[in-house]
Amino acid sequence: DSGVTQTPKHLITATGQRVTLRCSPRSGDLSVYWYQQSLDQGLQFLIQYYNGEERAKGNILERFSAQQFPDLHSELNLSSLELGDSALYFCASSVGGNQNTEAFFGQGTRLTVV
Amino acid sequence: GQNIDQPTEMTATEGAIVQINCTYQTSGFNGLFWYQQHAGEAPTFLSYNVLDGLEEKGRFSSFLSRSKGYSYLLLKELQMKDSASYLCAATGGGNKLTFGTGTQLKVEL
Repeated sequence: DSGVTQTPKHLITATGQRVTLRCSPRSGDLSVYWYQQSLDQGLQFLIQYYNGEERAKGNILERFSAQQFPDLHSELNLSSLELGDSALYFCASSVGGNQNTEAFFGQGTRLTVV
Repeated sequence: GQNIDQPTEMTATEGAIVQINCTYQTSGFNGLFWYQQHAGEAPTFLSYNVLDGLEEKGRFSSFLSRSKGYSYLLLKELQMKDSASYLCAATGGGNKLTFGTGTQLKVEL
């Protein structure tokens, strides 16, 4: 158990809908990262928050947004969902704000868009 | 830009040694990670190399050559439970971590 909690574990929704994925980082970790993993593209970095502020941005679509709350949990919002958004979404956390330390991954949310 | 290359699949025998290579082209390169990921599970940290050379950690070792943009993960005394995907990832400019697509290792009897 990495100490990172993601909910829900599975989500099935229809195209055009909006969903929210939730992540609670390890106790003491200030950074939260979101990744998308699909079968053909591997693990893609989406966005990082550090202590409530956006720290780095990767290949995140405009239909997607995220935030980190004062209690350090984070939410990833996916809207106008398309079939191609079906993937495993991982959250990871680390102590520092730079991506040069070990990150601990949650078990992921498997999103299926039908 | 960022580009990571690693073989898609490898097969090795239980008890043997296997080397998984990774080449990278990363602007503002800082360091290189190796993660292990079993099917349907979360990636777990194996190693992080910043300086050139070999770092050993039990059965797993990782090597980095910054000048060649090259790294490898060495797994010794292979066990069946080592069957997994091994992800190479480079940290670069803009505080971004770029993952390769992973090398699926199959350990056979």
